[in-house]
Amino acid sequence: QVQLVQSGAEVKKPGASVKVSCKVSGYTLTELSMHWVRQAPGKGLEWMGGFDPEDGETIYAQKFQGRVTMTEDTSTDTAYMELSSLRSEDTAVYYCATDGIASFDYWGQGTLVTVSS
Amino acid sequence: DIQMTQSPSSLSASVGDRVTITCQASQDISNYLNWYQQKPGKAPKLLIYDASNLETGVPSRFSGSGSGTDFTFTISSLQPEDIATYYCQQYDNLPTWTFGQGTKVEIK
Repeated sequence: QVQLVQSGAEVKKPGASVKVSCKVSGYTLTELSMHWVRQAPGKGLEWMGGFDPEDGETIYAQKFQGRVTMTEDTSTDTAYMELSSLRSEDTAVYYCATDGIASFDYWGQGTLVTVSS
Repeated sequence: DIQMTQSPSSLSASVGDRVTITCQASQDISNYLNWYQQKPGKAPKLLIYDASNLETGVPSRFSGSGSGTDFTFTISSLQPEDIATYYCQQYDNLPTWTFGQGTKVEIK
């Protein structure tokens, strides 16, 4: 059974960066394809990007290209999502989720990132 | 980009009612569609994959159907614990995904 435990809530000022972590247990990170999804308050789910096992690369949604970086530390089985140049519209709950077979079968508990001056 | 249009955006039904949610894709996506349930303050949970396959452990009152551009998600007999927002998700152009806008289900 995969468990994903995310880092705690963050408050950031506009223009700053945030780095959210997602610790894997039950499996190793190399056995999983990790993705990130966000949800603004009262809004729907938005896929941000994730690992493509077909070519071993990380792919980002066009909306976030240039501002988001997703990395993995296989020594600690921890995935990271860093979002830069934060603006108020980036206030959201950020989830990590694993891609099973073309579906997100395991999710972290979510990390609230608040962007406010 | 493939757009997913869910309807209705919200609905209210009585316990025991049959509830139907639709999801329309902007182009043919075969059966590359999933359905998720999200309860308030919780992460989404996969219910249906490949348009009509029930995820292990999910009650049989949940079902999905459709292919091409038109899909349906059904709760055959609404239960109080089904209060949640439901999302469709297409994966026709992997490795990218798109979610529908969500349908909030409430008890009348």
